[in-house]
Amino acid sequence: GAVVSQHPSRVICKSGTSVKIECRSLDFQATTMFWYRQFPKQSLMLMATSNEGSKATYEQGVEKDKFLINHASLTLSTLTVTSAHPEDSSFYICSASRGFLNTEAFFGQGTRLTVV
Amino acid sequence: DAKTTQPNSMESNEEEPVHLPCNHSTISGTDYIHWYRQLPSQGPEYVIHGLTSNVNNRMASLAIAEDRKSSTLILHRATLRDAAVYYCIRMNYGGSQGNLIFGKGTKLSVKP
Repeated sequence: GAVVSQHPSRVICKSGTSVKIECRSLDFQATTMFWYRQFPKQSLMLMATSNEGSKATYEQGVEKDKFLINHASLTLSTLTVTSAHPEDSSFYICSASRGFLNTEAFFGQGTRLTVV
Repeated sequence: DAKTTQPNSMESNEEEPVHLPCNHSTISGTDYIHWYRQLPSQGPEYVIHGLTSNVNNRMASLAIAEDRKSSTLILHRATLRDAAVYYCIRMNYGGSQGNLIFGKGTKLSVKP
């Protein structure tokens, strides 16, 4: 089946620094990718929709200047957490699907971000 | 708003069938029902989806009620590897891009 790969799987950074997370679709082109955040013992929350060649669409309450999304190619989307703070510590997950209609979504392995 | 209701948790014995219920009483005619599961510290994994008819694949079966207000994910023989959080999600493709809105899901425990 299709594979979506995320990198890194774990990252620890100091407060105030920025962290970049990559999401790649390995065997299909994805014009749209999605970024989720999951806090411990909670469900996934959609943060933003990443659109290839155009600006990302952010969900209400998600700061676009803090969570920078770049989707420069059909197989790569990146999420940069800028000026990270301990409250940004979370599990970040990306997903992609082959198309719009009646298709399954493929998820990355997730990235565990810890801000110290 | 996930718009689906699932029990918080369920238990099963290994090698026995498991029926995971989902209520989606406000479902519209164009909403698909998707099921995903998430193992600890991993991204979600697709399980199955359907619209009106019952569906089967190598992982599970999906039974959709005739009025479509509820559905049941069936794992025919639970294994320890099936212990996960199972999410039932409504997906409307009418103009949407296929983004998934996750509810709280059902945490399935499998006892040996």
